Amino acid sequence: LAKTTQPISMDSYEGQEVNITCSHNNIATNDYITWYQQFPSQGPRFIIQGYKTKVTNEVASLFIPADRKSSTLSLPRVSLSDTAVYYCLVGPRGGAGSYQLTFGKGTKLSVIP
Amino acid sequence: EAGVAQSPRYKIIEKRQSVAFWCNPISGHATLYWYQQILGQGPKLLIQFQNNGVVDDSQLPKDRFSAERLKGVDSTLKIQPAKLEDSAVYLCASSIRRDGYNEQFFGPGTRLTVL
Repeated sequence: LAKTTQPISMDSYEGQEVNITCSHNNIATNDYITWYQQFPSQGPRFIIQGYKTKVTNEVASLFIPADRKSSTLSLPRVSLSDTAVYYCLVGPRGGAGSYQLTFGKGTKLSVIP
Repeated sequence: EAGVAQSPRYKIIEKRQSVAFWCNPISGHATLYWYQQILGQGPKLLIQFQNNGVVDDSQLPKDRFSAERLKGVDSTLKIQPAKLEDSAVYLCASSIRRDGYNEQFFGPGTRLTVL
């Protein structure tokens, strides 16, 4: 599985857009980029997944350049409730039985009032 | 739909004691995972089941950890005997294939403290 590198922590004020970048230089052709979010005392939760260019859903946007060696999770207008750890994962999209998630340490986002 | 249920939520034991955790996955989810999350780190996969069969237990310390999913639904994870370094949150997740992707849904976890 491709190794990922992301900042350990980030601070942001409420209402700002937050961009968290993840490096994955050894990403394989069939790998997808997936982001999970984990609030304190809860299990991780799927946010978004993409393969190339841009993906957007009701929670976030994911930007992936053409070389796919990095990706950026964008959270628009963050609020205090977005304070969490965000994990970037890279791997195959999933076969019937063997897909696994390999988590790094993640990025701890602190939103300040 | 109901989420992944885990119990107990918290457990405190002394080293060398035994402990068991229970997980009830989301109905219809064939794949079940147990993760260990040490404070400040991301979750680490311990074991993966597909129905009642083990898909991967390569990172499970088999000398002290065991897990079963007898009827392909609920699962239990046991530690016997516990060590200080087993203090962690134990997360259960289940997954279903949707749009070609096995999205995993996590339970709230069981926080284990070994004294």
